[in-house]
Amino acid sequence: GEDVEQSLFLSVREGDSSVINCTYTDSSSTYLYWYKQEPGAGLQLLTYIFSNMDMKQDQRLTVLLNKKDKHLSLRIADTQTGDSAIYFCAESNQGGKLIFGQGTELSVKP
Amino acid sequence: NAGVTQTPKFQVLKTGQSMTLQCAQDMNHEYMSWYRQDPGMGLRLIHYSVGAGITDQGEVPNGYNVSRSTTEDFPLRLLSAAPSQTSVYFCASSETPFTYEQYFGPGTRLTVT
Repeated sequence: GEDVEQSLFLSVREGDSSVINCTYTDSSSTYLYWYKQEPGAGLQLLTYIFSNMDMKQDQRLTVLLNKKDKHLSLRIADTQTGDSAIYFCAESNQGGKLIFGQGTELSVKP
Repeated sequence: NAGVTQTPKFQVLKTGQSMTLQCAQDMNHEYMSWYRQDPGMGLRLIHYSVGAGITDQGEVPNGYNVSRSTTEDFPLRLLSAAPSQTSVYFCASSETPFTYEQYFGPGTRLTVT
């Protein structure tokens, strides 16, 4: 079945770049997403990439997609303490449902 | 727009009790869904609805019922609460199942003792 995998934790220093990685199994995914969850809050869409794209840049965020390896990454440039949160990778399957990874908890130290 | 609202924010139940988690959206979205979030497991889909009067099961439907009598509301019912249902529950909505952005509510933290 469909599966999305992420590492659980990442710690970086303020000002460094953060790279959060994700692998997925469903090669028919149409969109792949990154959601952000701040403590005590719901999920908020950060960015998404259509499956026929390799890269998408949006201010400090860069999404890279390697379809051959089914690997998705999110790079946050100049990471700030306000970026501390849990980041979820997700794919949408042919039925339109979202399949989420376990979430990566990003800790940014001053 | 209030977006997606959920009530209550917190709830403690005893094993065997029943309750309904409320979810409402004011964006006229056709697609609504319920997820549960457990540590280290991401979000798992419980039930979803593609429009008023239509519901279907997700990945983990056992122990939960839903109905969709209006476009705005999508309540989740726990029939007989069990400790395994201790979780954070999120409701989400989008224009269609294939719309790239789903809007999430703030969540309900449920503890079953």
